[in-house]
Amino acid sequence: NAGVTQTPKFRVLKTGQSMTLLCAQDMNHEYMYWYRQDPGMGLRLIHYSVGEGTTAKGEVPDGYNVSRLKKQNFLLGLESAAPSQTSVYFCASSYYPGTAQPQHFGDGTRLSIL
Amino acid sequence: AQSVSQHNHHVILSEAASLELGCNYSYGGTVNLFWYVQYPGQHLQLLLKYFSGDPLVKGIKGFEAEFIKSKFSFNLRKPSVQWSDTAEYFCAVIGATDKLIFGTGTRLQVFP
Repeated sequence: NAGVTQTPKFRVLKTGQSMTLLCAQDMNHEYMYWYRQDPGMGLRLIHYSVGEGTTAKGEVPDGYNVSRLKKQNFLLGLESAAPSQTSVYFCASSYYPGTAQPQHFGDGTRLSIL
Repeated sequence: AQSVSQHNHHVILSEAASLELGCNYSYGGTVNLFWYVQYPGQHLQLLLKYFSGDPLVKGIKGFEAEFIKSKFSFNLRKPSVQWSDTAEYFCAVIGATDKLIFGTGTRLQVFP
């Protein structure tokens, strides 16, 4: 049982480059989330999805796009990377929010923008 | 907007000492409360959660938390910490929205 899998685990980009982070879950969860974690700021929600084909903005959506073409996958895209996007990115999933089932997190992607 | 405050940013303890990490939230309605732990280099894992009922919640690894509605608090406690408890601890709440709002985290270092 893999749970939530994120790829890649590490990446270094130059300013202006683009890339896509992949999140895959095998728990048949409806809800998926992308967070970024920065020192002293905890986790902040970037975008989330309440089901296949749907996406919504979180707390810090600017500079990111997402897609949920398949229920098990949630992609996070950076069209033109900026140094301010250097962070650790976590994907999470849950069956429903606010219930007895908590969010399950991936191992994170450490992204550095030079 | 609802928010979560963790006032202890960095806590240093010796093994066997007692632990209490503070968590306060701002929303006045019904809340669901969580504590997550992140061990070095790992992803977040759920320690415990509160949805309703007994305000004293017991979680894994000997942790517990008490929901005090009048104080808008959900403090995490452990009677005797171990070196293996060294980690970062996050309080989180689901309130008015269905989104999880995290506190800024408390880094705990336990020395043998």
